[in-house]
Amino acid sequence: GAGVSQTPSNKVTEKGKYVELRCDPISGHTALYWYRQSLGQGPEFLIYFQGTGAADDSGLPNDRFFAVRPEGSVSTLKIQRTERGDSAVYLCASSLLGLAGGPRTGELFFGEGSRLTVL
Amino acid sequence: KNQVEQSPQSLIILEGKNCTLQCNYTVSPFSNLRWYKQDTGRGPVSLTIMTFSENTKSNGRYTATLDADTKQSSLHITASQLSDSASYICVVSGGSSNTGKLIFGQGTTLQVKP
Repeated sequence: GAGVSQTPSNKVTEKGKYVELRCDPISGHTALYWYRQSLGQGPEFLIYFQGTGAADDSGLPNDRFFAVRPEGSVSTLKIQRTERGDSAVYLCASSLLGLAGGPRTGELFFGEGSRLTVL
Repeated sequence: KNQVEQSPQSLIILEGKNCTLQCNYTVSPFSNLRWYKQDTGRGPVSLTIMTFSENTKSNGRYTATLDADTKQSSLHITASQLSDSASYICVVSGGSSNTGKLIFGQGTTLQVKP
């Protein structure tokens, strides 16, 4: 697609429920990133995919969080047993290559985010 | 500890005026430094990317500078417009190419008033 697409744009759920957030990156982008942004804060790294594999998942806060990218394109962030502290905007971004690339290949394009509210 | 600190936290200026936002970082090793603009409720949009060897880069009315020796960057906005009201985030990419870690500053919230 023309840009990074994230769905749903808003999700309200109850504590303890399971949530899936979807990211559709720019076509042809091999690198995909998930970030979490709390109100008034900068985005916080969660996980980075290069192709189908998670090259760096060190930002996932605990084992309730999991992400997949089975075909190297669309990615799904999965949150089990949601807690109120999980409420945030979850941002997805993609780049042509990895972040160490130059201005063209390492340029990062963000989606509009999925706002998760856990009641 | 890898950190990116921005100042001021917030800023109010009148339309047409210039302003400069500051960014200090302690990320090592350093790959590149980026400035993003984030409108309320939207995803960040890239303004500039600078590598170690670059010390200035412009994008329209936005000019970013980088001093890799002192680990400081600035974003200068010329002839501000109401649409410049947003959060401006300084982001440093460090580490190996196998990591996806961007170190984000907390942003400077700019409000341009008529």
